[in-house]
Amino acid sequence: RKEVEQDPGPFNVPEGATVAFNCTYSNSASQSFFWYRQDCRKEPKLLMSVYSSGNEDGRFTAQLNRASQYISLLIRDSKLSDSATYLCVVRSNTDKLIFGTGTRLQVFP
Amino acid sequence: NAGVTQTPKFQVLKTGQSMTLQCAQDMNHNSMYWYRQDPGMGLRLIYYSASEGTTDKGEVPNGYNVSRLNKREFSLRLESAAPSQTSVYFCASSEVGRANEQFFGPGTRLTVL
Repeated sequence: RKEVEQDPGPFNVPEGATVAFNCTYSNSASQSFFWYRQDCRKEPKLLMSVYSSGNEDGRFTAQLNRASQYISLLIRDSKLSDSATYLCVVRSNTDKLIFGTGTRLQVFP
Repeated sequence: NAGVTQTPKFQVLKTGQSMTLQCAQDMNHNSMYWYRQDPGMGLRLIYYSASEGTTDKGEVPNGYNVSRLNKREFSLRLESAAPSQTSVYFCASSEVGRANEQFFGPGTRLTVL
């Protein structure tokens, strides 16, 4: 079983739609959780951290459920520029980052 | 501020050839990392360096060596390239104790024939 699992997609949604991505992790000792964004043929960049209480950054909302070992990312009012691959990332108890394989989002006009 | 830079951007090697991938950062970060990214596999850690003068193996170190030349530079060497090492290689850096905020270089696309 992979340490971090994501639905690879692609998710094809129209502009203005709300889309949600899910991620599960296997190590209950994991310390921290993040979403990274990776554009086609580019490097990953930190999108947002995920806190137990849930957190929001503009149109993006991230949530963590430690009991179920589940992380989510919600994007409201999707823009064309949101098209990218979203990587679920978990910081292990050995301080390493473990990356999911990513969920691809394509927003169309 | 250039951030994290990598050279070369693209490289084609024949099986058995050697090469060194270069990485430099200008953010005064202590920690540096080398990852490879393959389709369906996600990013996997090859080696990392928590500080100048120290290096440690990651998840997939076989076939690679690294050198932390100074605080700014962290190189990855393939001594005898194999087709299985065809991949995109990313270098990253972060502050000590804040492994979450890793800043990545633009990547090197390596093909081994």
